Amino acid sequence: DSGVTQTPKHLITATGQRVTLRCSPRSGDLSVYWYQQSLDQGLQFLIQYYNGEERAKGNILERFSAQQFPDLHSELNLSSLELGDSALYFCASSVGHLLQGLWETQYFGPGTRLLVL
Amino acid sequence: DQQVKQNSPSLSVQEGRISILNCDYTNSMFDYFLWYKKYPAEGPTFLISISSIKDKNEDGRFTVFLNKSAKHLSLHIVPSQPGDSAVYFCAASDFNQAGTALIFGKGTTLSVSS
Repeated sequence: DSGVTQTPKHLITATGQRVTLRCSPRSGDLSVYWYQQSLDQGLQFLIQYYNGEERAKGNILERFSAQQFPDLHSELNLSSLELGDSALYFCASSVGHLLQGLWETQYFGPGTRLLVL
Repeated sequence: DQQVKQNSPSLSVQEGRISILNCDYTNSMFDYFLWYKKYPAEGPTFLISISSIKDKNEDGRFTVFLNKSAKHLSLHIVPSQPGDSAVYFCAASDFNQAGTALIFGKGTTLSVSS
């Protein structure tokens, strides 16, 4: 058990709908990351938050957005869903350092499997 | 363009033998490398890491080797056990960037037979 929790575990919805995925980081971790794993792709970085602020953006679509709350949990919002958005969505957390150049390990949650019909 | 490549989609090894999983990268700015193991229906589990100032890191049965000049790293598992059967992902990061995203390879499926 990594200490990172994600809800829900599974989500089935229809095209055009909007869903929210939730992540609680390990106790004490300030950084939260979101990754997407599609069928034929590896894990693709979407976005990172550090202590409530957006820190880095990867291949995140404009239809997707995220935020990190004062209690450090994070939500990933996916809207106008398309069939191609069906994937596993993972959240990861790390201690988080304001200064760059410090090596950190990210710990992953169990993921949310999203199926868009 | 894939910055982290795992060219072998699968590897089969007998119990007790050595498993060697390989990973190549193209970005010379990467300075931290990690290996994750993933079972079906679970999230990736951190295994072992290595920073660019080292060329080897050991943790029990797992050893990671880094060859910076060749932009190549490998994970050795000795001895291999049936419970090691899983998908192994190599990941890299450039900690000098503002964000600390991990760039993943597509994974190698390891099967260890008894």
